[in-house]
Amino acid sequence: DGGITQSPKYLFRKEGQNVTLSCEQNLNHDAMYWYRQDPGQGLRLIYYSQIVNDFQKGDIAEGYSVSREKKESFPLTVTSAQKNPTAFYLCASRGGAMTEAFFGQGTRLTVV
Amino acid sequence: AQKVTQAQTEISVVEKEDVTLDCVYETRDTTYYLFWYKQPPSGELVFLIRRNSFDEQNEISGRYSWNFQKSTSSFNFTITASQVVDSAVYFCALSEAVGSGGSNYKLTFGKGTLLTVNP
Repeated sequence: DGGITQSPKYLFRKEGQNVTLSCEQNLNHDAMYWYRQDPGQGLRLIYYSQIVNDFQKGDIAEGYSVSREKKESFPLTVTSAQKNPTAFYLCASRGGAMTEAFFGQGTRLTVV
Repeated sequence: AQKVTQAQTEISVVEKEDVTLDCVYETRDTTYYLFWYKQPPSGELVFLIRRNSFDEQNEISGRYSWNFQKSTSSFNFTITASQVVDSAVYFCALSEAVGSGGSNYKLTFGKGTLLTVNP
């Protein structure tokens, strides 16, 4: 079945460690997005990518990094520079500006 | 400046009441796209509707209806005869071109409205 897969569903890390969240899609979509969701804050855009080997900072990119080496994959690294990394992270993809985004099931990251 | 404003943080209604969720957006583009999503307690986001900036026709789908007004930059969502299963967080989103050449499309969400429908 076509869709977006985020893994793992739950992730625990110690403070100061970098952690990479996986996002894979088999929808042949060009654009991919990473959002962070905190209670009462809605979905805030971290990074997005329109094509392979190119990506743009979103509204809250500090402390995060991404890569887009393959069309299907858009991993997000939460670095130790991110001051409040504990959150629910959602990955999305879509085929074009006018189309709806498809979302993964999310990764809940807890940093202790 | 907030691109997508959902001023209602939480709304609580009793089953069978009608409820309208407000969405106001801000963009300089003449071509843009608006979306509504639903996020039930399980967490996944469910797409509800898409509207482009050239189509101001209102739409009805079952108990759901949408009112798009460019003059007031609003794209409001009404649920008629609400049901307990409508309880969720509802998000409005804006897709617009950014950067030189307009080749990148940013998808910006509002903060969401938590709708609780009580039996």
